[in-house]
Amino acid sequence: QVHLVESGGGVVQPGRSLRLSCAASGFTFSSYGMHWVRQAPGKGLEWVALIYYDGSKEYYADSVKGRFTISRDNSKNTLYLQMHSLTAEDTAIFYCARETGTVMIQTNWFDSWGQGTLVTVSS
Amino acid sequence: QSVLTQPPSASGTPGQRVTISCSGSSSNIGSNTVNWYQQFPGTAPKLLIYSNNQRPSGVPDRFSGSKSGTSASLAISGLQSEDEADYYCAAWDDGLNGWVFGGGTKQTVL
Repeated sequence: QVHLVESGGGVVQPGRSLRLSCAASGFTFSSYGMHWVRQAPGKGLEWVALIYYDGSKEYYADSVKGRFTISRDNSKNTLYLQMHSLTAEDTAIFYCARETGTVMIQTNWFDSWGQGTLVTVSS
Repeated sequence: QSVLTQPPSASGTPGQRVTISCSGSSSNIGSNTVNWYQQFPGTAPKLLIYSNNQRPSGVPDRFSGSKSGTSASLAISGLQSEDEADYYCAAWDDGLNGWVFGGGTKQTVL
């Protein structure tokens, strides 16, 4: 049974940094691409970042490019999101999600999601 | 402003068939497959439809998806009270090199 558990959220001041973690279990973590998706309070879903199964490639939303870094440690079955220069617009629940499908990103989907961790950027 | 456009709300009565639209462009829906996610308040999204029209195991067959050109649709046949939720479409965008979501549609059962 796939299990994804996010942690690391909390209240952080504008301009500061925060690192989120997503602990994976129940599947071969090193075989799957992984994503971060966020949802601001009362708003819709926004894709944040993707990392390939082996960490060889990363993609980012324009809104976080240059500020956020996605990474993974396949030996620890853990996904990370390092966030810098946080602003109030980054306040959201952050979900990690597993990607499933084929070798082509364009035809894949997110088949499992964690419960999310809340990041609040406020002074 | 979301890249994919969905109506913010939809409503129907129990037993009715309802559809939710998702409009995109040639760089996303026009080129790639569409997925749909269901989200209940206070919970994580759940995969509902993948690859335009495929249902994961456990999803009732009253949910169906379709795609034509740069638009996609989610249909719910025999609407039930437990279908009251938010629904999101998503697709990869070749121009943005990233995933894009619709703004979400809040489905209400009257």
